[in-house]
Amino acid sequence: DTAVSQTPKYLVTQMGNDKSIKCEQNLGHDTMYWYKQDSKKFLKIMFSYNNKELIINETVPNRFSPKSPDKAHLNLHINSLELGDSAVYFCASRGTANTGELFFGEGSRLTVL
Amino acid sequence: SQELEQSPQSLIVQEGKNLTINCTSSKTLYGLYWYKQKYGEGLIFLMMLQKGGEEKSHEKITAKLDEKKQQSSLHITASQPSHAGIYLCGADGTGTASKLTFGTGTRLQVTL
Repeated sequence: DTAVSQTPKYLVTQMGNDKSIKCEQNLGHDTMYWYKQDSKKFLKIMFSYNNKELIINETVPNRFSPKSPDKAHLNLHINSLELGDSAVYFCASRGTANTGELFFGEGSRLTVL
Repeated sequence: SQELEQSPQSLIVQEGKNLTINCTSSKTLYGLYWYKQKYGEGLIFLMMLQKGGEEKSHEKITAKLDEKKQQSSLHITASQPSHAGIYLCGADGTGTASKLTFGTGTRLQVTL
């Protein structure tokens, strides 16, 4: 039973398209995150939600819009995809907002052509 | 914002050898986490350290946090091919909504 699951695992699309990545956690956690890992494997936080409320919003282009319909789900929608958006996007969850380990999904590899 | 520097950036060791990875922070660490990422996969939690001088071990991996809480090390004893991957340290910031910030990563290869 996967704790944090992301779909799709792989996504190949053309520049200018709009795409979404979905994330679900079955751990009963209050806090969820989106991270972006670039080609050099540097992992950078993008957003965090706590009980459906946005609590962290890093400097991310407006083309990226997270949505949390309930505390078990956090989706990421990306408009007008650019080449630089190619990366692996990781979803993670945590029991509380400020401490404890993060549980990561397996990642969604986005390739923009 | 918190910056975490890891060294070395990459490491190739022969099976059976010991190795150490370091993680240095520009600020006091309030929660230090070590993760491992296998190539093409997600991150696996290894250990969390909070107190100055704290040390934890799991199987052949030992992590320490220095007394000043600005540096952590991860030591692997008698490395095996299964230890290969990318090791990332992460740290909590302060405040009620903490963003877990990650270090620059260390890529470990273990040769036979």
